[in-house]
Amino acid sequence: GQQVMQIPQYQHVQEGEDFTTYCNSSTTLSNIQWYKQRPGGHPVFLIQLVKSGEVKKQKRLTFQFGEAKKNSSLHITATQTTDVGTYFCAETSGTYKYIFGTGTRLKVLA
Amino acid sequence: DADVTQTPRNRITKTGKRIMLECSQTKGHDRMYWYRQDPGLGLRLIYYSFDVKDINKGEISDGYSVSRQAQAKFSLSLESAIPNQTALYFCATQARPYNEQFFGPGTRLTVL
Repeated sequence: GQQVMQIPQYQHVQEGEDFTTYCNSSTTLSNIQWYKQRPGGHPVFLIQLVKSGEVKKQKRLTFQFGEAKKNSSLHITATQTTDVGTYFCAETSGTYKYIFGTGTRLKVLA
Repeated sequence: DADVTQTPRNRITKTGKRIMLECSQTKGHDRMYWYRQDPGLGLRLIYYSFDVKDINKGEISDGYSVSRQAQAKFSLSLESAIPNQTALYFCATQARPYNEQFFGPGTRLTVL
């Protein structure tokens, strides 16, 4: 079945450092979503990418979709303590149901 | 008031018991989903429903059943709970153009 690999599993960074999480699929994707889950909270939608090679930005967050639509990344510039949480990608291959990655837990040290 | 609610928020039960987790939404969304979250495994899809008469199995439906009583309500049942069903369960909704999923606060279930 469809598999979603997300790396790294954990990342500890000093406040102000950059952070990147990667999502890789064994199949070509229709689109990909990114979610953030704060400790003790529920996943909250960040963005959806649809086009090959697409890049979108939200303030300090940059999202990319690979040219072959098999991978994606989320990059945070100059992390802040408010960025703490687990970041998930969610992929679909056109069946309108989503397969979530295993998540990357980010800890930001002040 | 929250748009997507889940009850109960926490539940401890014993092996073999039947349990129902409920999800309600006031968003008017047609699609609803049930996921379970385990440490290190992310969220895995149990069942999904595109409307009241359309229910589909997800990747881990064994041991679970669902009921879509109305557009606003989607219940998850464990007919005979077992310890490896201990997890955090999330309900989610989605509407056209079917981008963002809106998650409920979750139900933490412990099966002893």
